[in-house]
Amino acid sequence: AQTVTQSQPEMSVQEAETVTLSCTYDTSESDYYLFWYKQPPSRQMILVIRQEAYKQQNATENRFSVNFQKAAKSFSLKISDSQLGDAAMYFCAYRSVQGAQKLVFGQGTRLTINP
Amino acid sequence: DTGVSQDPRHKITKRGQNVTFRCDPISEHNRLYWYRQTLGQGPEFLTYFQNEAQLEKSRLLSDRFSAERPKGSFSTLEIQRTEQGDSAMYLCASSSTWTPYEQYFGPGTRLTVT
Repeated sequence: AQTVTQSQPEMSVQEAETVTLSCTYDTSESDYYLFWYKQPPSRQMILVIRQEAYKQQNATENRFSVNFQKAAKSFSLKISDSQLGDAAMYFCAYRSVQGAQKLVFGQGTRLTINP
Repeated sequence: DTGVSQDPRHKITKRGQNVTFRCDPISEHNRLYWYRQTLGQGPEFLTYFQNEAQLEKSRLLSDRFSAERPKGSFSTLEIQRTEQGDSAMYLCASSSTWTPYEQYFGPGTRLTVT
């Protein structure tokens, strides 16, 4: 079974600075998807960024980018120019390409933005 | 596109009572998922529907839990004989055949069992 681990329960960053959230995962599959989801307080979860395992190029979405290290099974999220609206719980998630349709989530990292 | 909706948003019930939650997915999405999220944890998968067929069930889904998706549209999740350990946020998500990797989440139903 696949597992996802986020070792940072909480992180904080100054507004306009850069922060990196860590995620590691365990799988025996060679093809899969990895995601970062954002869950603001009392609001619904939204997708931040997606990475396909077969792609060597790291995904980017505006101020959000990932560092995908397949051999190390590491998938970190970098947020540049942090904004107050980035404050949220961030979840790393794994999904198989074939078979199981479910997302497997990590425990989450609570990100605080200091003005 | 009105997004995924869930009803009710909050439910308080006494131990031993039955509760039912509803999820309305995005209209063109044929895949629907239920997750459970306890405080301070990531969501855990419960079950998955493709159209009206329930194709996956987690071992977390005990015999007190049942989910349906009649006609492949909305879905209901029923918990019978609720226990205090059932207190959690129940999340629904949907996706389409064309973008199966992208699941859109609803706001959740927060269940409190007293």
